Amino acid sequence: AQSVAQPEDQVNVAEGNPLTVKCTYSVSGNPYLFWYVQYPNRGLQFLLKYITGDNLVKGSYGFEAEFNKSQTSFHLKKPSALVSDSALYFCAVGRNQGGKLIFGQGTELSVKP
Amino acid sequence: GAVVSQHPSRVICKSGTSVKIECRSLDFQATTMFWYRQFPKKSLMLMATSNEGSKATYEQGVEKDKFLINHASLTLSTLTVTSAHPEDSSFYICSARDFESVNTEAFFGQGTRLTVV
Repeated sequence: AQSVAQPEDQVNVAEGNPLTVKCTYSVSGNPYLFWYVQYPNRGLQFLLKYITGDNLVKGSYGFEAEFNKSQTSFHLKKPSALVSDSALYFCAVGRNQGGKLIFGQGTELSVKP
Repeated sequence: GAVVSQHPSRVICKSGTSVKIECRSLDFQATTMFWYRQFPKKSLMLMATSNEGSKATYEQGVEKDKFLINHASLTLSTLTVTSAHPEDSSFYICSARDFESVNTEAFFGQGTRLTVV
């Protein structure tokens, strides 16, 4: 069975500081890993994905994530946070790129000026 | 880029009535669409996989007679919440994949906020 865990319900960061949103996964076989962002009462916006290849994945809006197979992690990072990055972030795992996804419980990111 | 549109974005209905939510892929064809449910500040839970021209596949614990799914064309899937009750109030989100493009992720609709009063 697949599962995803986001250990932090909330992450608070000052604007301009680096941010990390954590995600660990459990899956048999090769994982397809995704990060999405959700603004209030909106759908999900795709940020980035890991399928294969380089462990460091670069995505939209300056976000990146590092796939770590030994630690079964896929943490989301950004070197310098913006207030507009404040939102709900979801990590997800799937068996392929376009199929159904299992989501983590979400992490609310708050960036203060 | 690929766009998935849901309608309505917000609906209020009376307890005991049924409400239909549409999910459309606007610029691609989707043989498969997915329906998720999200509780306030919570994760998305997959409800069912909608397959064009065949029956939907429901996840364990989801009542198929209550949440009717129809995927009659390659661009439209509908979710009908039958005999709605206040506990059905939630945010419902669909996603769809372009079946001609195997290397792309699924795209999400903007969601539908259902409130049952």
